[in-house]
Amino acid sequence: SQKIEQNSEALNIQEGKTATLTCNYTNYSPAYLQWYRQDPGRGPVFLLLIRENEKEKRKERLKVTFDTTLKQSLFHITASQPADSATYLCALVTGPGSARQLTFGSGTQLTVLP
Amino acid sequence: KAGVTQTPRYLIKTRGQQVTLSCSPISGHRSVSWYQQTPGQGLQFLFEYFSETQRNKGNFPGRFSGRQFSNSRSEMNVSTLELGDSALYLCASSLEGGNEKLFFGSGTQLSVL
Repeated sequence: SQKIEQNSEALNIQEGKTATLTCNYTNYSPAYLQWYRQDPGRGPVFLLLIRENEKEKRKERLKVTFDTTLKQSLFHITASQPADSATYLCALVTGPGSARQLTFGSGTQLTVLP
Repeated sequence: KAGVTQTPRYLIKTRGQQVTLSCSPISGHRSVSWYQQTPGQGLQFLFEYFSETQRNKGNFPGRFSGRQFSNSRSEMNVSTLELGDSALYLCASSLEGGNEKLFFGSGTQLSVL
């Protein structure tokens, strides 16, 4: 069956360290993969998109890798801050043409401790 | 530019009733998608509308339906509510859909008693 798994429901790290979140998928062949951030009581906010032929994408303190052989994406936040505390969701873009849709993982709740 | 607006923000209904939720996408966005979010199941795709047509549908029963108007505003309806329908319902818009990033509203928190 198709599955998207994100590492451990909760991740606590110390301020200033690098947070690494994992997204593994099975029985999907995504053309794109996206990462979102969600704060309590709010809708997800788009962070980064990476295509299947891209190995790495960066945006400020954020870095995403995409390994289609391992069927895995890693999401890194460097020099983490308490304001980075939130739930992070990975989403796969699957399906053909106009039937493409985003399928989300269950999320990882990140807490950055001061 | 205004973001995605969902109304109402909170809603309390009883079993057997029906409910209509509203979503106004970002101006110029023609694709509107709906998701259900619960603590146990996470974000589940309901359906997507593009230019007033349902283009994609998730695995939800027929009690869940939607529509899109010519101004791209969208509504979703849930009939014969069940306790398990209690969830945060999120609407998201994008220019054309597909692989594009989504812009989400803050959602409607539905509680079914």
